[in-house]
Amino acid sequence: QLQLQESGPGLVKPSETLSLTCNVSGGSISSTSYYWGWIRQPPGKALEWIGSIYHSGNTYYNPSLKSRVTISVDTSKNQFSLKVTSVTAADTAVYYCATQSGRVVIIYYWGQGTLVTVSS
Amino acid sequence: EVVMTQSPATLSVSPGDRATLSCRASQSVSSNLAWYQQKPGQAPRLLIYGTSTRATGIPARFSGSGSGTDFTLTISSLQSEDFAVYYCQQYNNGPATFGQGTRLEIK
Repeated sequence: QLQLQESGPGLVKPSETLSLTCNVSGGSISSTSYYWGWIRQPPGKALEWIGSIYHSGNTYYNPSLKSRVTISVDTSKNQFSLKVTSVTAADTAVYYCATQSGRVVIIYYWGQGTLVTVSS
Repeated sequence: EVVMTQSPATLSVSPGDRATLSCRASQSVSSNLAWYQQKPGQAPRLLIYGTSTRATGIPARFSGSGSGTDFTLTISSLQSEDFAVYYCQQYNNGPATFGQGTRLEIK
């Protein structure tokens, strides 16, 4: 069974770039069956889909975040990554990496989540 | 984007009873609707997709129904492990969007 694990700084300063990595185990990130995505959840608020990537590098993003977000994949390390630029307090959230079966955003597997706080 | 509205915000139900959770979309999402369960400190878990298809390993007491803009998640005979927050999510139009969640608590 696929397992996902997020890693990265838990504290980021305003205006800087948030960077997270998701390590995939129990399967290959090059699988043709899966897309890989990021979802976040601000404290006490609803989930928000950020974007997704295929192993080929094809990406699609939530338009509300598209100008600040980059998702990339490293097949040699079986990892994918998220970068969010120019962060503000509104970007404080638990960030989950996740797996979709195909391009449709139905999340079958989730990482445990990592809290990222934006504060000076 | 499609706005998903869940009701009620909090639902108090006794163990063994039935719970009915509602989700409404701001425009038709056809049958492209999923439900997730989230317990404190945990990631969400997929329960249902395609409005009514249970994900692998999900007990039969969980069922989904609806189409277009109005959807329902029913949990028959609530077990202690079912008390959690439930989110609906559409994946039909534009970016996938989630509802604000319904907290199912023990009465």
